[in-house]
Amino acid sequence: NAGVTQTPKFRVLKTGQSMTLLCAQDMNHEYMYWYRQDPGMGLRLIHYSVGEGTTAKGEVPDGYNVSRLKKQNFLLGLESAAPSQTSVYFCASRLVQETGELFFGEGSRLTVL
Amino acid sequence: LAKTTQPISMDSYEGQEVNITCSHNNIATNDYITWYQQFPSQGPRFIIQGYKTKVTNEVASLFIPADRKSSTLSLPRVSLSDTAVYYCLVGDGNTGFQKLVFGTGTRLLVSP
Repeated sequence: NAGVTQTPKFRVLKTGQSMTLLCAQDMNHEYMYWYRQDPGMGLRLIHYSVGEGTTAKGEVPDGYNVSRLKKQNFLLGLESAAPSQTSVYFCASRLVQETGELFFGEGSRLTVL
Repeated sequence: LAKTTQPISMDSYEGQEVNITCSHNNIATNDYITWYQQFPSQGPRFIIQGYKTKVTNEVASLFIPADRKSSTLSLPRVSLSDTAVYYCLVGDGNTGFQKLVFGTGTRLLVSP
């Protein structure tokens, strides 16, 4: 039981390049989330999904796209990376009920030059 | 949106009790209050959750008054390893408990 796994853990991009972060969970959770955390700051919600095939915008969705084609996977895409997207990205998942706690991955550190 | 407000930072010494209060004036009727702890370079992890009155587990207690507009996380006899950022989390009143937005958190520094 791996929990929430993020791939890759580190990545360096040049401005304008694209990439996809993969989040996989093996807990059969319905809800999945992508957050970003800048140095010394709190977590900001980018996008989230309440089930396979559904996604919704969070607080800071601009510049990102997401897909939830399979229940266990939640992909975060950057079509044209910008230096402002340099951050640590955390994926999380949880069960449906109100008491479902968030389970986080280890994070993916992205640097855009 | 049920926004939370916490002190930005707190200082304490080893062995002391630490109480961190979170304000959530617009909490939804059916929403729970959850606290998370985050160490540097790690994702947050669950500490405790409650709906009303008092909840206690092996690491913390959570006090919630009757109006549920605030909550207090109590850490008994802190140690250096409790130095971390603590977040309280409530759901979005519009989407229920689906959209989970973190506040700024409280940075706790425990000194010898």
